[in-house]
Amino acid sequence: ETGVTQSPTHLIKTRGQQVTLRCSSQSGHNTVSWYQQALGQGPQFIFQYYREEENGRGNFPPRFSGLQFPNYSSELNVNALELDDSALYLCASSFPGGYEQFFGPGTRLTVL
Amino acid sequence: QQPVQSPQAVILREGEDAVINCSSSKALYSVHWYRQKHGEAPVFLMILLKGGEQKGHEKISASFNEKKQQSSLYLTASQLSYSGTYFCGTERKYGGSQGNLIFGKGTKLSVKP
Repeated sequence: ETGVTQSPTHLIKTRGQQVTLRCSSQSGHNTVSWYQQALGQGPQFIFQYYREEENGRGNFPPRFSGLQFPNYSSELNVNALELDDSALYLCASSFPGGYEQFFGPGTRLTVL
Repeated sequence: QQPVQSPQAVILREGEDAVINCSSSKALYSVHWYRQKHGEAPVFLMILLKGGEQKGHEKISASFNEKKQQSSLYLTASQLSYSGTYFCGTERKYGGSQGNLIFGKGTKLSVKP
């Protein structure tokens, strides 16, 4: 197993721009969740995808959207970036019915 | 609603014990515990389910008081490797660990030699 990977590691954008973050889950993990972690805070649930469909969403506006692909990869897209979007974005995947979520190392997004 | 963790930070000497608490004002189905070391991804420690079931793969114990909606993580004979920030994540509906976790703000644990 290669674990959960995310790209890019760091990203700097300006307000109003759009960004796409990528996550590659472990083989067989059909559920992926995305979290936003501000500095000094716990991860905040953005949304979850199960078998390529959204399966739950946290308190985030529609400009946060996602996709999940059959090859266990997924994307988080954020439109019209705001300064408050600066954070560490984590993806986490799990086996069907599994309790444990396997987190990736995250993408550090800075919005200027 | 975000669970409340206490204490916010704790400093231990190797071999000492610590307890980290997590409480929610809402009825819970499960409580999950994760540890995150600086600059790294959170790592699963344990899940405690309503009804008493527990699953974990670390030498760390925990409890879940369903009536009080509280969970405690017990770190005994602490080691340097225990250092990190501990998060509890609460889940209100059935679904295993299917995401939808609400995490607390974390408890920073530092173990000194």
